[in-house]
Amino acid sequence: GEDVEQSLFLSVREGDSSVINCTYTDSSSTYLYWYKQEPGAGLQLLTYIFSNMDMKQDQRLTVLLNKKDKHLSLRIADTQTGDSAIYFCAESSGYGGSQGNLIFGKGTKLSVKP
Amino acid sequence: DSGVTQTPKHLITATGQRVTLRCSPRSGDLSVYWYQQSLDQGLQFLIQYYNGEERAKGNILERFSAQQFPDLHSELNLSSLELGDSALYFCASSVGLGVNSGANVLTFGAGSRLTVL
Repeated sequence: GEDVEQSLFLSVREGDSSVINCTYTDSSSTYLYWYKQEPGAGLQLLTYIFSNMDMKQDQRLTVLLNKKDKHLSLRIADTQTGDSAIYFCAESSGYGGSQGNLIFGKGTKLSVKP
Repeated sequence: DSGVTQTPKHLITATGQRVTLRCSPRSGDLSVYWYQQSLDQGLQFLIQYYNGEERAKGNILERFSAQQFPDLHSELNLSSLELGDSALYFCASSVGLGVNSGANVLTFGAGSRLTVL
């Protein structure tokens, strides 16, 4: 079945760039997503990328997709303490099929040190 | 506020009991999804409803059931509760089925934290 893998922890200094990596197994994934979860809150969509794109930039966020290696990354430039959260990578499991749920990785906890 | 409302926010109950979690989707959204978040399993998809009908099932136990009502709100029923059912239960909603075109953007509620003692 589909699987999404992420490293569990990342620690960076304020002002540095953060890079969160993700690998997925479903080669038919059409869209890949990044969600952010702050303490005590639900998941909030950060950005998504269509599978025929290599890169997408949105302000401080840059998403890179290597479809051949099934590798997705999220780069946060000039990381701030407010970026401390858990970041989830997700893929669409059923495009063109019968179900639209997303398959999530276990999340990467980003800690930003001042 | 994401527009997805979940109640209750916190619930403490005993093993063997039954609870009902409620979700009101964002206005205009027809699909409702339930996810379970635990420390060891991460975010697990349970079930999806679209316009009142079940559309997809994930790792949902037989002790759990759900439904979506004509007003589109949804309820997740958890029965014969065990210690291992303690988790955060999230509801999410989206406009469509998520299989036709475009990205399927899920909007999440703040979750219901269930503690089984």
